[in-house]
Amino acid sequence: DAGVIQSPRHEVTEMGQEVTLRCKPISGHNSLFWYRQTMMRGLELLIYFNNNVPIDDSGMPEDRFSAKMPNASFSTLKIQPSEPRDSAVYFCASSLGALGTHTQYFGPGTRLTVL
Amino acid sequence: AQKVTQAQTEISVVEKEDVTLDCVYETRDTTYYLFWYKQPPSGELVFLIRRNSFDEQNEISGRYSWNFQKSTSSFNFTITASQVVDSAVYFCALWGGGADGLTFGKGTHLIIQP
Repeated sequence: DAGVIQSPRHEVTEMGQEVTLRCKPISGHNSLFWYRQTMMRGLELLIYFNNNVPIDDSGMPEDRFSAKMPNASFSTLKIQPSEPRDSAVYFCASSLGALGTHTQYFGPGTRLTVL
Repeated sequence: AQKVTQAQTEISVVEKEDVTLDCVYETRDTTYYLFWYKQPPSGELVFLIRRNSFDEQNEISGRYSWNFQKSTSSFNFTITASQVVDSAVYFCALWGGGADGLTFGKGTHLIIQP
């Protein structure tokens, strides 16, 4: 079975450009998580969906970031406009149930570089 | 605000030694969840365990065990008979379900020397 799929794996863009990161969760999973990892801030949970509904978005840094989950098999994280401080590895994860109740499975991550 | 402290920045042991990674947390929530994650040198993230605040039973999974003690606000992780493949950064995290979101510790870099 395919695991969590993220695309692209690497993204290099210039400041001010729009960036869209994509995630396909494991089939049958009903929770999806977006994490960010930087040297300065460490690991952060940006947003958590359950049954396609955002449950906890307290980690979303600011209005430049938005996340959607239009259906159970796809989610996007968009940054508009991007800034150099957004450079990070972005991980997507999915699980069978709510945060705290089931194991999370991670995608390989998207390494974003904003010049 | 909630807080997770992993005081050990780096630990280095020789293979086959037992090693304990400490995690101390602070929260005002009465219901909360604790987690451990592993990040090997390859960079991927691996979810190891979750524990809710009402379940203080220790858990063992092979060479891994976790000791949750509410009295000391600690959720420590022990690897028995460590192996080189256990070398990784390990993160402890806390979620109270409120506005603080999921709070991570800064991680402990574990080095297992052959």
